[in-house]
Amino acid sequence: DAGITQSPRHKVTETGTPVTLRCHQTENHRYMYWYRQDPGHGLRLIHYSYGVKDTDKGEVSDGYSVSRSKTEDFLLTLESATSSQTSVYFCAISGDRAEVQPQHFGDGTRLSIL
Amino acid sequence: QKEVEQNSGPLSVPEGAIASLNCTYSDRGSQSFFWYRQYSGKSPELIMSIYSNGDKEDGRFTAQLNKASQYVSLLIRDSQPSDSATYLCAPGRNQAGTALIFGKGTTLSVSS
Repeated sequence: DAGITQSPRHKVTETGTPVTLRCHQTENHRYMYWYRQDPGHGLRLIHYSYGVKDTDKGEVSDGYSVSRSKTEDFLLTLESATSSQTSVYFCAISGDRAEVQPQHFGDGTRLSIL
Repeated sequence: QKEVEQNSGPLSVPEGAIASLNCTYSDRGSQSFFWYRQYSGKSPELIMSIYSNGDKEDGRFTAQLNKASQYVSLLIRDSQPSDSATYLCAPGRNQAGTALIFGKGTTLSVSS
């Protein structure tokens, strides 16, 4: 199994609070991704990173920010959580040729915002 | 046209039958195609990769690719109840350094 660890695995918080999710990999892969998955919408890309300090937006980036200060860590931050951000969040990684290589996923974080 | 289209299902088959899952995609330049399996409450798991036209077999799974028709399928032979899951199709993009495109998935239910 790809060495990907997401933390926390579950979190319940209140509207308006900041939330940070962490993805840690031991594979030294260049690309890291954050997705959210909601019923009826499938996997939707939030942000991705193609190297240390190199990030780009996905299709649902509003309300989210990311940072990657080390190859192995990719952080997703909800600056002021809203109930619409209640979801399951997955981190994924892939190698140098992201367009032709598969992604491997972490176990996910279930986030509930009350 | 949506980038990746899959029938949402559920697709119901009896144990031992062949399950056929289909996927069409819009990016004619896609060079790689992946099938993921996702059990309820779990993360997607890569089960097949295919890069060339034709068939690729791995155990009970066969992936079929037709780039001219922009069509990729997954056949599961001798279906088992443990195959009950959602199957996601994911073509690669025709653009260096970008993410895969995921379909919404087809839910397969295998009854014993």
